[in-house]
Amino acid sequence: TQLLEQSPQFLSIQEGENLTVYCNSSSVFSSLQWYRQEPGEGPVLLVTVVTGGEVKKLKRLTFQFGDARKDSSLHITAAQPGDTGLYLCAADSGGGADGLTFGKGTHLIIQP
Amino acid sequence: EPEVTQTPSHQVTQMGQEVILRCVPISNHLYFYWYRQILGQKVEFLVSFYNNEISEKSEIFDDQFSVERPDGSNFTLKIRSTKLEDSAMYFCASSPTAYTEAFFGQGTRLTVV
Repeated sequence: TQLLEQSPQFLSIQEGENLTVYCNSSSVFSSLQWYRQEPGEGPVLLVTVVTGGEVKKLKRLTFQFGDARKDSSLHITAAQPGDTGLYLCAADSGGGADGLTFGKGTHLIIQP
Repeated sequence: EPEVTQTPSHQVTQMGQEVILRCVPISNHLYFYWYRQILGQKVEFLVSFYNNEISEKSEIFDDQFSVERPDGSNFTLKIRSTKLEDSAMYFCASSPTAYTEAFFGQGTRLTVV
């Protein structure tokens, strides 16, 4: 069973600060996705990374896939209260229609 | 923007009853999935469906569960005899191909009493 470990589990910072959250595994993945989930709602896709070493930017969010395709990070610059939420990583082992394996997520709170 | 829609948003049922959760995937998508999330826990894969048959299923997806695509637009999850531990958020997702990102619906909160 593949496991995705996300850290930290909880993070509370002040508006304007920078932060990085991590998603790690001992398994190699064909792709990795980052989602954001609000309470009582479904995960909303933020980005997919596929190539080892790949970096993708989405406004103030920077996503990186590790060279060995076992880990990923999400960096937020100048965090805003609207960034508050649960950030989930999910990985695909490459088996075609296999389901995604999700991490437990990082609960992020940005205080004004 | 196209989205996955799920109905109902909340279902309360008595233990032992059958429930059917409904989903309308994004229209040009070919792969469909069901996931569940027990309160406070991580999202777990249940089953994937392609070309009118199950492609992959997890250990959670036992004989009490079944999926169906009864027509060209709906995708359903049936739980035959619900148990208390089936209480969870159930998410439907779809993707255009097997190797592309999945888009999730808003979920159905199932409460078994």
